[in-house]
Amino acid sequence: DAKTTQPPSMDCAEGRAANLPCNHSTISGNEYVYWYRQIHSQGPQYIIHGLKNNETNEMASLIITEDRKSSTLILPHATLRDTAVYYCIVNPRTGNQFYFGTGTSLTVIP
Amino acid sequence: KAGVTQTPRYLIKTRGQQVTLSCSPISGHRSVSWYQQTPGQGLQFLFEYFSETQRNKGNFPGRFSGRQFSNSRSEMNVSTLELGDSALYLCASRETGSYQETQYFGPGTRLLVL
Repeated sequence: DAKTTQPPSMDCAEGRAANLPCNHSTISGNEYVYWYRQIHSQGPQYIIHGLKNNETNEMASLIITEDRKSSTLILPHATLRDTAVYYCIVNPRTGNQFYFGTGTSLTVIP
Repeated sequence: KAGVTQTPRYLIKTRGQQVTLSCSPISGHRSVSWYQQTPGQGLQFLFEYFSETQRNKGNFPGRFSGRQFSNSRSEMNVSTLELGDSALYLCASRETGSYQETQYFGPGTRLLVL
């Protein structure tokens, strides 16, 4: 199963775009990239997912490189409530389980 | 639709006791997965149930068990509790459990073992 690598922590100024990178160099052809966030020990909240193309929803945008070995989650206008741990997950084709790494702890600074 | 619900939200037990946690998936979802989250190990997969059958299992001892009912509600049980079982227990649901489906998580049950 594909593993992901994320920076352990990042800061972002309130109102600016937060760009969270993720490496998933061993991703397989039909495996999706999912992003979740977890705010202070609440349940992980689904943000967005994608396969090959860039995706956008009301929460964020997901940019996946052409070779699919990395992706970036973009929060266009970060607010204090976006402070959370962000997890990048490659959804495995077998086993039906998510492997959560250590994620990126994003702190939005006023 | 209502989201995934978990009961109870908080629980305190003592070593040696057993505990049962409950999870109600989103209406129409038939797959329920359970995860354990601890500061040291992070989020780890426990098991998944679909149509009342355990479909996948993580690397946890036999003290951790679960079941699913015909209405897709699920329970997990931990017997002979140990201090290390203190954790946030999360359940997640999806429609059929296909890898292409999004999992939606509940708020979790925080278990403290004294």
